[in-house]
Amino acid sequence: EPEVTQTPSHQVTQMGQEVILRCVPISNHLYFYWYRQILGQKVEFLVSFYNNEISEKSEIFDDQFSVERPDGSNFTLKIRSTKLEDSAMYFCASSEGPGGDNYGYTFGSGTRLTVV
Amino acid sequence: AQSVTQPDIHITVSEGASLELRCNYSYGATPYLFWYVQSPGQGLQLLLKYFSGDTLVQGIKGFEAEFKRSQSSFNLRKPSVHWSDAAEYFCAVGAGTYKYIFGTGTRLKVLA
Repeated sequence: EPEVTQTPSHQVTQMGQEVILRCVPISNHLYFYWYRQILGQKVEFLVSFYNNEISEKSEIFDDQFSVERPDGSNFTLKIRSTKLEDSAMYFCASSEGPGGDNYGYTFGSGTRLTVV
Repeated sequence: AQSVTQPDIHITVSEGASLELRCNYSYGATPYLFWYVQSPGQGLQLLLKYFSGDTLVQGIKGFEAEFKRSQSSFNLRKPSVHWSDAAEYFCAVGAGTYKYIFGTGTRLKVLA
C-alpha cells in the first residue's frame, strides 16, 4: 500500500536554529498538508498546499513557517527560528483530492521535533 | 464554529469486551467524518470515514461507526476488543475544502 514517508523520525535542535522537515507524499496525490501535535494535545492543522502554492493556512502558520515542493517528489516544512513551543510531532499528509472534502488523507508516521 | 468533542480522555476495557468511543461534532454543513488510530510512536491510520449514504460505516480492524445527524454524533464501536487495539483514537471532521479538525483523542487501554 502506498505510504507517505517522513524524515527524520526524530530531530533535536537548539532554540533559534532553522529546521527542515521532509516528506515524500504518495506519488499520484496532488494535495499536501502539514499538521502538528504538541505532546498530549490534539492534532492541529498547519497548512495545505496545492498546485505549488499554499491553499489554506492556520493562525499557527506564521512567518516563521514556510513550505516548499522543491522537486516532483518532496514536500518540506521549514521553521526559520525555532522556539521551545515548536516542540511537537509534525505530520505530513497527502490526498488525491481536497482532503476536507470527500477524500481522505494518508498521513506519514511523523517527525518528532524537540527544541532545546 | 466547527469543533469536535471526544468526551472520554481515557477508556479501559477488558479484552473481548465491546467498545464504544464517543464523538460529537459541530459543523454547519453535511459533515465528512473520520476516525483515526494512533499507536504509540506511530502515525495516524485511517480506520473509517463517512461521506454520505448509509449511516453505519465499516472500517478496518473490525471497527464500525454510526453517523447520527440528530445527535451530531459519530461514535466508534467494536464488538470484541483485542489487546492490539490499545492506542489513541481521534475523531475528525472535514472542515471546508482542505483541512480537518480533530478531537482531543481517547486513549484506550485493554486489560488482559
